[in-house]
Amino acid sequence: EVQLVESGGGLVQPGGSLRLSCAASGFSFSAVPMNWVRQAPGKGLEWVAHIRNGGDIIYYADSVQGRFTISRENDKSSLYLQMNSLRAEDTAVYYCVRDTYYAFDSWGQGTLVTVSS
Amino acid sequence: QSALTQPASVSGSLGQSITISCTGTSSNVGGYNFVSWYQQHPGKAPKLIIYEVNKRPSSVSNRFSASKSANTASLTISGLQTEDEADYYCCSYAGSITWVFGGGTKLTVL
Repeated sequence: EVQLVESGGGLVQPGGSLRLSCAASGFSFSAVPMNWVRQAPGKGLEWVAHIRNGGDIIYYADSVQGRFTISRENDKSSLYLQMNSLRAEDTAVYYCVRDTYYAFDSWGQGTLVTVSS
Repeated sequence: QSALTQPASVSGSLGQSITISCTGTSSNVGGYNFVSWYQQHPGKAPKLIIYEVNKRPSSVSNRFSASKSANTASLTISGLQTEDEADYYCCSYAGSITWVFGGGTKLTVL
């Protein structure tokens, strides 16, 4: 069974940093691209970042470019999102998401990030 | 990376069919056959129900179907059941390894 378990969310002040982690199991993690997708409270979904299998190809949404860094450790079946210069508008549930056939086929339960003073 | 346009809400009676539209541009929906749809119940993570415009994962009911014409994709749910009441999101590949979601549609089953 595919499992994606996020951790690292919490309350952070504007301008602060936070690192999210995602532990994957039940599939060959090193064989698939991964993404982060977020959802602000009461709002819709927003794709945030993508990383290819080997970690060498990375893309970001314009809204986080230059502030967020996605990375992975295939030997640990783990995905990360380093978030710097956080803003109030980054407040959201962040989902770790597996991607196949250009769709998001498995989602974690999400971790809440709240940016507030 | 503008969001795709979906109706905010739709409703239908038990057993009826409904269709949710998703309008984008030639840079996303119209340009690629990589439209997907997600179902999200309150407090839960989204679940993939359609990928590559009209393909269903094996675990998804055949009451869910989808199509695309030009810049608009559509999701149809037939034989509405109470458990279908949820939020539905469309998503399209938008080139250069980016994706864009729709704003979401709340389905109410009457």
